[in-house]
Amino acid sequence: AQTVTQSQPEMSVQEAETVTLSCTYDTSESNYYLFWYKQPPSRQMILVIRQEAYKQQNATENRFSVNFQKAAKSFSLKISDSQLGDTAMYFCAFMKTSGNQFYFGTGTSLTVIP
Amino acid sequence: DVKVTQSSRYLVKRTGEKVFLECVQDMDHENMFWYRQDPGLGLRLIYFSYDVKMKEKGDIPEGYSVSREKKERFSLILESASTNQTSMYLCASTTWTGDPRGAFFGQGTRLTVV
Repeated sequence: AQTVTQSQPEMSVQEAETVTLSCTYDTSESNYYLFWYKQPPSRQMILVIRQEAYKQQNATENRFSVNFQKAAKSFSLKISDSQLGDTAMYFCAFMKTSGNQFYFGTGTSLTVIP
Repeated sequence: DVKVTQSSRYLVKRTGEKVFLECVQDMDHENMFWYRQDPGLGLRLIYFSYDVKMKEKGDIPEGYSVSREKKERFSLILESASTNQTSMYLCASTTWTGDPRGAFFGQGTRLTVV
């Protein structure tokens, strides 16, 4: 079975600063997808960024980037120039390429302080 | 735009009632999931279905059952609701080929059992 671990239950960051959220996972699969989802108070899960395990290059989406270390099974999310709208719960997730197994971490609650 | 719709955002039920949570997706996805979300525990998989009438137990199936009579609809059933089933319930879907966009989520149902 796959496991996903987020060791930071809560974090805070000053507006315009940079913050990094940690995620580690355990799997015997060689190919898979990793995701970061954001869940604001509206509760709707929003995809922030994804990474295919076979790609060595770290994914980037505007202010969001990841540091993917496949050998270490680590997948951290960096948010640059933090904005008040980034305040949310962030979940790291693992998905097998068949799409029939999807596992989440316990989440990190991020607060951006004005 | 892709859509996963859960039948209710909020539900209040009495202990012992039979409760149905409905989820419908319009993307012709093969895989559908029911998760339970609790603070500090993240999203825990209750059941998933990979085809019509097919289902697999997740990590916490006790007290729940599911039904998938049509591809687009996946129902979660609480046979006899108990107060410890008060929680947020999230439905999600993915394709069989593991769409790199990951899972698509409903807006969540906050269930309170009194």
